[in-house]
Amino acid sequence: DTEVTQTPKHLVMGMTNKKSLKCEQHMGHRAMYWYKQKAKKPPELMFVYSYEKLSINESVPSRFSPECPNSSLLNLHLHALQPEDSALYLCASSQVSGTPQHFGDGTRLSIL
Amino acid sequence: AQSVTQLDSQVPVFEEAPVELRCNYSSSVSVYLFWYVQYPNQGLQLLLKYLSGSTLVKGINGFEAEFNKSQTSFHLRKPSVHISDTAEYFCAVGGNRDDKIIFGKGTRLHILP
Repeated sequence: DTEVTQTPKHLVMGMTNKKSLKCEQHMGHRAMYWYKQKAKKPPELMFVYSYEKLSINESVPSRFSPECPNSSLLNLHLHALQPEDSALYLCASSQVSGTPQHFGDGTRLSIL
Repeated sequence: AQSVTQLDSQVPVFEEAPVELRCNYSSSVSVYLFWYVQYPNQGLQLLLKYLSGSTLVKGINGFEAEFNKSQTSFHLRKPSVHISDTAEYFCAVGGNRDDKIIFGKGTRLHILP
């Protein structure tokens, strides 16, 4: 069992839909991350929140919008995605930035 | 800038044989080094980490790794593998100033019966 919980586990959406991915951790970690992982590739960093403030945005298209409502929650809002956005989206957390990260099991996203 | 090289994309090993997965890193500052494992349809799980101190690091599931600063390596080893070790293994480096960890491309471990 992972200590970082992601919902939903699977999501299929059309290119005009709006949806959100959710991530929750109760380890008291103050850094949270979103990654995108394509098949047979390593995770690619998208966003980092440190103490609930966005500290890194890896030039991700604006159709991905992160939100950190509090220290335990991290959301990723999706709008007008493209078929190439189909991937596994992983959330991670760590005590502070740069220390070992704990990953959730991801949301497998398919764009029709 | 930091980088990680995993020289082998796939490693086939017979069950109960030893295995070594190779990882080399490049960094101009002090580093933290990690090995993660990803089982099919799951997220990444931390196997072990080197932050400081002893260069031989023991992790979960019988894995260990040795930090070698002169060779800039952090190879992962297990003396006897099991079918359940079939997975993708990622080496990663952190400790830079911009809060990132950098992943290698991964090594797929195939356990042969």
